[in-house]
Amino acid sequence: EVQLVESGGGLVQPGRSLRLSCAASGFTFDDYAMHWVRQAPGKGLEWVSGISWNSGSIGYADSVKGRFTISRDNAKNSLYLQMNSLRAEDTALYYCAKSAFGGSGIEEHAFDIWGQGTMVTVSS
Amino acid sequence: SYVLTQPPSVSVAPGKTARITCGGNNIGSKSVHWYQQKPGQAPVLVIYYDSDRPSGIPERFSGSNSGNTATLTISRVEAGDEADYYCQVWDSSSDPHWVFGGGTKLTVL
Repeated sequence: EVQLVESGGGLVQPGRSLRLSCAASGFTFDDYAMHWVRQAPGKGLEWVSGISWNSGSIGYADSVKGRFTISRDNAKNSLYLQMNSLRAEDTALYYCAKSAFGGSGIEEHAFDIWGQGTMVTVSS
Repeated sequence: SYVLTQPPSVSVAPGKTARITCGGNNIGSKSVHWYQQKPGQAPVLVIYYDSDRPSGIPERFSGSNSGNTATLTISRVEAGDEADYYCQVWDSSSDPHWVFGGGTKLTVL
């Protein structure tokens, strides 16, 4: 079964850091680009960041650029999001998502598999 | 930055056809993907590349894209189709990034 499981969320004070992880299983992880998408409570979806299969192509939303860093470890079938200088507006459910087709960058292909998300709350 | 505009809500009676639009400047030149999200659940891909259906998605779901509007059409709507629907495109501008529409709440009357 293809599965993505996020972890690492929690309550954190403004200005602090947090590292999210996404464990992948059931597919050849290093064939696919991966993404982080977030959803603030009661709001819509917002793409946060994406990384190509070989980490050669990386992109960020303007709202997190310079504060968040995406990475992956293909040997561990894992995706990460290092979040620094967190703000209240970063409060959201963070989803890990898989690109629908392999061997590509972070563009064009839809996201065919999503995890259940990990909640990040930034508050003092 | 590229903007996708969706109606906040669409209502339809069971058995009828629901059409959810996604507006964007010359969106017909882009590939549009659609997601369904039920309360408390992760999004599910229902249409990719304008009109293709992933395996397991009923044929009742279809998509089209032309000019400045992409449309998700759900035929013979069922109570279980009630959900939020989001469109998505890749904005290949000087600052490339993924863009989601604001979402449409589909209510089955």
